Amino acid sequence: GQNIDQPTEMTATEGAIVQINCTYQTSGFNGLFWYQQHAGEAPTFLSYNVLDGLEEKGRFSSFLSRSKGYSYLLLKELQMKDSASYLCAVRDARLTFGKGTKLSVIP
Amino acid sequence: GAVVSQHPSWVICKSGTSVKIECRSLDFQATTMFWYRQFPKQSLMLMATSNEGSKATYEQGVEKDKFLINHASLTLSTLTVTSAHPEDSSFYICSARGDVDYGYTFGSGTRLTVV
Repeated sequence: GQNIDQPTEMTATEGAIVQINCTYQTSGFNGLFWYQQHAGEAPTFLSYNVLDGLEEKGRFSSFLSRSKGYSYLLLKELQMKDSASYLCAVRDARLTFGKGTKLSVIP
Repeated sequence: GAVVSQHPSWVICKSGTSVKIECRSLDFQATTMFWYRQFPKQSLMLMATSNEGSKATYEQGVEKDKFLINHASLTLSTLTVTSAHPEDSSFYICSARGDVDYGYTFGSGTRLTVV
Protein backbone atom coordinates (compact mmCIF):
# COMPACT_ATOMS: atom_id res chain seq x y z
CA GLY A 1 0.00 0.00 0.00
CA GLN A 2 0.87 3.64 0.01
CA ASN A 3 1.00 6.21 2.77
CA ILE A 4 1.59 9.87 1.95
CA ASP A 5 1.73 12.48 4.70
CA GLN A 6 1.78 16.25 4.48
CA PRO A 7 0.66 18.97 6.88
CA THR A 8 -3.01 19.84 6.74
CA GLU A 9 -2.68 23.61 6.84
CA MET A 10 -0.01 26.28 6.73
CA THR A 11 -0.06 30.06 6.86
CA ALA A 12 2.62 32.37 5.51
CA THR A 13 3.08 36.05 4.83
CA GLU A 14 3.07 37.66 1.42
CA GLY A 15 6.65 37.99 0.10
CA ALA A 16 7.98 35.27 2.39
CA ILE A 17 9.23 31.75 1.69
CA VAL A 18 7.32 28.62 2.70
CA GLN A 19 8.32 24.97 2.62
CA ILE A 20 5.69 22.25 2.40
CA ASN A 21 6.93 18.81 3.38
CA CYS A 22 5.75 15.43 2.17
CA THR A 23 6.79 12.02 3.44
CA TYR A 24 5.81 8.81 1.76
CA GLN A 25 5.95 5.08 2.20
CA THR A 26 5.11 3.23 -0.97
CA SER A 27 5.53 -0.26 -2.32
CA GLY A 28 6.98 1.13 -5.54
CA PHE A 29 8.29 4.46 -6.73
CA ASN A 30 8.40 5.99 -10.16
CA GLY A 31 8.38 9.68 -9.43
CA LEU A 32 6.86 12.29 -7.15
CA PHE A 33 4.63 15.12 -8.29
CA TRP A 34 3.48 18.37 -6.75
CA TYR A 35 0.20 19.91 -7.83
CA GLN A 36 -1.58 23.13 -6.94
CA GLN A 37 -5.32 23.06 -6.55
CA HIS A 38 -7.62 26.02 -6.01
CA ALA A 39 -10.97 25.30 -4.43
CA GLY A 40 -13.43 23.77 -6.88
CA GLU A 41 -10.86 23.41 -9.62
CA ALA A 42 -8.76 20.59 -11.00
CA PRO A 43 -5.11 20.26 -9.94
CA THR A 44 -2.46 21.98 -11.99
CA PHE A 45 1.01 20.51 -12.39
CA LEU A 46 3.87 22.21 -10.55
CA SER A 47 6.81 19.84 -10.50
CA TYR A 48 8.09 16.33 -10.95
CA ASN A 49 11.05 14.63 -9.27
CA VAL A 50 12.28 11.14 -10.00
CA LEU A 51 15.93 11.53 -9.00
CA ASP A 52 17.31 12.88 -5.72
CA GLY A 53 17.96 16.56 -5.57
CA LEU A 54 16.42 19.93 -6.15
CA GLU A 55 14.41 20.96 -9.19
CA GLU A 56 13.96 24.70 -9.57
CA LYS A 57 11.25 26.29 -11.63
CA GLY A 58 10.88 30.02 -11.13
CA ARG A 59 9.42 30.77 -7.71
CA PHE A 60 8.79 27.08 -7.09
CA SER A 61 11.37 24.42 -6.24
CA SER A 62 10.92 20.80 -5.30
CA PHE A 63 13.33 18.49 -3.53
CA LEU A 64 13.41 14.72 -3.33
CA SER A 65 15.28 12.22 -1.18
CA ARG A 66 14.30 8.71 -2.18
CA SER A 67 16.25 7.05 0.61
CA LYS A 68 14.35 9.09 3.19
CA GLY A 69 10.98 8.95 1.43
CA TYR A 70 10.86 12.72 1.67
CA SER A 71 10.10 15.64 -0.55
CA TYR A 72 9.39 19.31 -0.10
CA LEU A 73 7.94 22.09 -2.19
CA LEU A 74 9.50 25.49 -1.69
CA LEU A 75 7.58 28.59 -2.65
CA LYS A 76 9.47 31.89 -2.76
CA GLU A 77 8.24 35.48 -2.90
CA LEU A 78 4.79 34.40 -1.90
CA GLN A 79 1.85 36.11 -3.55
CA MET A 80 -1.76 36.20 -2.45
CA LYS A 81 -2.71 34.10 -5.46
CA ASP A 82 -0.55 31.28 -4.08
CA SER A 83 -3.26 30.61 -1.50
CA ALA A 84 -4.39 27.13 -2.51
CA SER A 85 -4.03 23.48 -1.62
CA TYR A 86 -0.78 21.79 -2.57
CA LEU A 87 -0.92 18.10 -3.29
CA CYS A 88 1.97 15.68 -3.12
CA ALA A 89 1.46 12.62 -5.33
CA VAL A 90 3.57 9.50 -5.74
CA ARG A 91 3.55 7.30 -8.79
CA ASP A 92 4.11 3.60 -8.96
CA ALA A 93 1.59 1.79 -11.13
CA ARG A 94 -0.85 4.61 -10.44
CA LEU A 95 -0.71 8.15 -9.13
CA THR A 96 -1.67 8.38 -5.46
CA PHE A 97 -2.30 11.71 -3.80
CA GLY A 98 -1.67 12.90 -0.29
CA LYS A 99 -4.46 14.75 1.49
CA GLY A 100 -3.06 18.11 0.52
CA THR A 101 -1.76 21.12 2.41
CA LYS A 102 -3.97 24.18 2.47
CA LEU A 103 -1.74 27.22 2.28
CA SER A 104 -3.08 30.61 3.30
CA VAL A 105 -1.02 33.64 2.29
CA ILE A 106 -1.74 36.68 4.44
CA PRO A 107 -0.77 40.32 3.84
CA GLY B 1 0.08 21.80 -24.61
CA ALA B 2 -2.05 18.77 -23.87
CA VAL B 3 -5.65 19.55 -22.98
CA VAL B 4 -8.36 17.35 -21.52
CA SER B 5 -11.87 18.67 -21.89
CA GLN B 6 -14.28 17.48 -19.21
CA HIS B 7 -17.98 18.18 -19.12
CA PRO B 8 -20.32 18.98 -17.70
CA SER B 9 -18.62 21.29 -15.23
CA TRP B 10 -21.47 20.87 -12.83
CA VAL B 11 -24.67 18.89 -12.74
CA ILE B 12 -27.59 18.56 -10.39
CA CYS B 13 -29.68 15.43 -10.65
CA LYS B 14 -32.46 13.72 -8.78
CA SER B 15 -31.79 10.72 -6.61
CA GLY B 16 -32.15 7.50 -8.60
CA THR B 17 -31.21 8.95 -11.97
CA SER B 18 -27.97 8.42 -13.91
CA VAL B 19 -25.39 10.99 -14.89
CA LYS B 20 -22.73 10.73 -17.56
CA ILE B 21 -19.45 12.63 -17.40
CA GLU B 22 -17.23 12.89 -20.45
CA CYS B 23 -13.52 13.46 -20.80
CA ARG B 24 -11.90 14.11 -24.15
CA SER B 25 -8.24 14.51 -24.93
CA LEU B 26 -8.13 17.27 -27.51
CA ASP B 27 -4.68 17.09 -29.01
CA PHE B 28 -3.19 13.81 -27.93
CA GLN B 29 -4.13 10.18 -27.66
CA ALA B 30 -5.00 9.09 -24.16
CA THR B 31 -4.29 5.41 -23.93
CA THR B 32 -4.95 5.47 -20.21
CA MET B 33 -7.54 7.50 -18.34
CA PHE B 34 -7.83 7.79 -14.59
CA TRP B 35 -11.01 8.77 -12.74
CA TYR B 36 -10.80 10.43 -9.35
CA ARG B 37 -13.34 11.54 -6.81
CA GLN B 38 -12.80 14.29 -4.28
CA PHE B 39 -15.02 15.03 -1.31
CA PRO B 40 -14.86 18.43 0.39
CA LYS B 41 -11.57 19.05 2.15
CA GLN B 42 -10.33 15.62 1.10
CA SER B 43 -7.71 14.63 -1.41
CA LEU B 44 -8.25 13.02 -4.76
CA MET B 45 -9.12 9.36 -4.45
CA LEU B 46 -8.52 7.16 -7.46
CA MET B 47 -11.68 5.33 -8.46
CA ALA B 48 -10.60 3.44 -11.55
CA THR B 49 -8.09 3.20 -14.36
CA SER B 50 -9.23 2.59 -17.90
CA ASN B 51 -7.27 1.63 -20.95
CA GLU B 52 -8.63 2.16 -24.41
CA GLY B 53 -10.54 -0.84 -25.62
CA SER B 54 -10.45 -2.82 -22.40
CA LYS B 55 -12.38 -3.04 -19.16
CA ALA B 56 -11.59 -0.58 -16.43
CA THR B 57 -9.71 -1.59 -13.30
CA TYR B 58 -11.51 -0.41 -10.20
CA GLU B 59 -9.95 0.46 -6.86
CA GLN B 60 -10.99 -1.45 -3.80
CA GLY B 61 -14.33 -0.30 -2.46
CA VAL B 62 -15.51 1.26 -5.72
CA GLU B 63 -18.63 -0.40 -7.14
CA LYS B 64 -18.04 -1.17 -10.79
CA ASP B 65 -21.76 -1.66 -11.44
CA LYS B 66 -22.51 1.78 -10.06
CA PHE B 67 -19.69 3.69 -11.71
CA LEU B 68 -19.61 2.58 -15.33
CA ILE B 69 -16.53 3.54 -17.27
CA ASN B 70 -16.24 3.37 -21.02
CA HIS B 71 -13.02 4.09 -22.90
CA ALA B 72 -13.99 3.18 -26.42
CA SER B 73 -11.56 5.46 -28.22
CA LEU B 74 -8.16 7.02 -27.66
CA THR B 75 -9.72 10.43 -27.16
CA LEU B 76 -12.85 9.77 -25.16
CA SER B 77 -13.63 8.21 -21.80
CA THR B 78 -16.92 8.42 -19.95
CA LEU B 79 -17.96 7.83 -16.36
CA THR B 80 -21.62 7.11 -15.72
CA VAL B 81 -22.91 7.31 -12.17
CA THR B 82 -25.93 5.02 -12.15
CA SER B 83 -28.83 5.32 -9.72
CA ALA B 84 -27.17 8.29 -8.09
CA HIS B 85 -27.75 9.00 -4.40
CA PRO B 86 -26.93 12.05 -2.30
CA GLU B 87 -23.79 10.37 -0.97
CA ASP B 88 -22.46 10.29 -4.54
CA SER B 89 -22.37 14.07 -4.52
CA SER B 90 -18.73 14.92 -5.08
CA PHE B 91 -16.16 16.46 -7.41
CA TYR B 92 -15.18 14.02 -10.15
CA ILE B 93 -11.96 14.57 -12.11
CA CYS B 94 -10.43 12.67 -14.97
CA SER B 95 -6.76 12.49 -15.82
CA ALA B 96 -5.27 11.28 -19.06
CA ARG B 97 -1.87 9.78 -19.60
CA GLY B 98 -0.19 12.03 -22.14
CA ASP B 99 3.18 13.29 -23.30
CA VAL B 100 3.43 16.47 -21.25
CA ASP B 101 3.57 17.11 -17.51
CA TYR B 102 5.43 13.83 -17.32
CA GLY B 103 2.36 11.92 -18.25
CA TYR B 104 -0.74 13.36 -16.57
CA THR B 105 -3.19 15.96 -17.78
CA PHE B 106 -6.28 16.68 -15.70
CA GLY B 107 -9.72 17.62 -16.82
CA SER B 108 -11.40 20.63 -15.23
CA GLY B 109 -13.62 18.50 -13.02
CA THR B 110 -17.35 17.93 -12.64
CA ARG B 111 -19.27 18.97 -9.54
CA LEU B 112 -22.11 16.48 -9.06
CA THR B 113 -24.92 17.24 -6.67
CA VAL B 114 -27.61 14.63 -6.13
CA VAL B 115 -30.81 15.90 -4.55
